[in-house]
Amino acid sequence: AQSVTQPDIHITVSEGASLELRCNYSYGATPYLFWYVQSPGQGLQLLLKYFSGDTLVQGIKGFEAEFKRSQSSFNLRKPSVHWSDAAEYFCAVGAKTNAGKSTFGDGTTLTVKP
Amino acid sequence: EPEVTQTPSHQVTQMGQEVILRCVPISNHLYFYWYRQILGQKVEFLVSFYNNEISEKSEIFDDQFSVERPDGSNFTLKIRSTKLEDSAMYFCASSVQEIGELFFGEGSRLTVL
Repeated sequence: AQSVTQPDIHITVSEGASLELRCNYSYGATPYLFWYVQSPGQGLQLLLKYFSGDTLVQGIKGFEAEFKRSQSSFNLRKPSVHWSDAAEYFCAVGAKTNAGKSTFGDGTTLTVKP
Repeated sequence: EPEVTQTPSHQVTQMGQEVILRCVPISNHLYFYWYRQILGQKVEFLVSFYNNEISEKSEIFDDQFSVERPDGSNFTLKIRSTKLEDSAMYFCASSVQEIGELFFGEGSRLTVL
């Protein structure tokens, strides 16, 4: 069975500081990995995804993530956080046979200090 | 920009009542999904739907739940007899490919009293 762990429930960073959100997954085969962002009262928006190829993937809003198979990780990074980045972030792993059946992590809430 | 739309945005119902949540997926998408998020908890997969039939469902999706694509544009989730624990935000999603980006709607908040 696939699973996702986001070890950090809540992270606070200062505006302009760098950000890294951690994600560890468990899946028996090559995973499809996603990061979504959810602003309050909003739906989920895809930030980026990894299916294959280059392990460093670029996403929207200046985010990137790196797939490390040896560590079963897919951490999300941003070099300089903006106040508008405050939201909840979900890592998800997709099944190879049906990537729509994604398993989500518990989420990490990001607070940005001015 | 095309988007997934969901109605209602919020529904309050009494326990035991039937509820239908509606979704209009993006028009050229072929794969449709329902997820739910109980307040403060993670997003959970309920069901996926393709070619007018369920392709996969979770253990949450029991006999009280059903999905339908009645007219080629709407995609509905029906809960036959709601329970208190069905209170959650329900998200519809669609994708153009089986392995592709999911586009989520803004959700329908269901409150069961």
